[in-house]
Amino acid sequence: DAGVIQSPRHEVTEMGQEVTLRCKPISGHNSLFWYRQTMMRGLELLIYFNNNVPIDDSGMPEDRFSAKMPNASFSTLKIQPSEPRDSAVYFCASKASGSTDTQYFGPGTRLTVL
Amino acid sequence: GESVGLHLPTLSVQEGDNSIINCAYSNSASDYFIWYKQESGKGPQFIIDIRSNMDKRQGQRVTVLLNKTVKHLSLQIAATQPGDSAVYFCAENMGNQGGKLIFGQGTELSVKP
Repeated sequence: DAGVIQSPRHEVTEMGQEVTLRCKPISGHNSLFWYRQTMMRGLELLIYFNNNVPIDDSGMPEDRFSAKMPNASFSTLKIQPSEPRDSAVYFCASKASGSTDTQYFGPGTRLTVL
Repeated sequence: GESVGLHLPTLSVQEGDNSIINCAYSNSASDYFIWYKQESGKGPQFIIDIRSNMDKRQGQRVTVLLNKTVKHLSLQIAATQPGDSAVYFCAENMGNQGGKLIFGQGTELSVKP
């Protein structure tokens, strides 16, 4: 079975540009999570969805960040405009229903903003 | 506040030895805990989990111990191998937050051949 799929795997862009990261969760999973990982701050939860509905976006750093989940098999994380401090690895994870079901992570997107 | 922290940021062991990675958590309401392994350039990979009604759970070469009295979690790896070299994260689930996990900072395990 395919795991969580993320694209692109690497993204290099210039400050001020719009960046869109994409995620396809594991089929049948109904929760999706976006994380950001940096050396300084570790792994931070940005936002998560249950049944395509955003539940908690308290981790989204600022209004430049937005996330959508138009259907059960696709989600996007958008940064507009991007800044050098947004450089990080962004992970998407999904899990099945049930509060203790394990989250499964994608391979991540390494974003570099110049 | 909500936090999960690790006692040892780095751990170096000899191949074949047992490894113990520790984690402290702060939220007494947490009812589910997971250990993840993250290799360089990859996403975190599930290793083993434990619910709060248990104090020990064993997998293949790995054991997780939970001490709720002192809010401490540990991961034991038996006969550590070079392929075990990675960063290990503990995470806690606070039960009533839709599966939201709080991750610790991670411990880097280095296995010397």
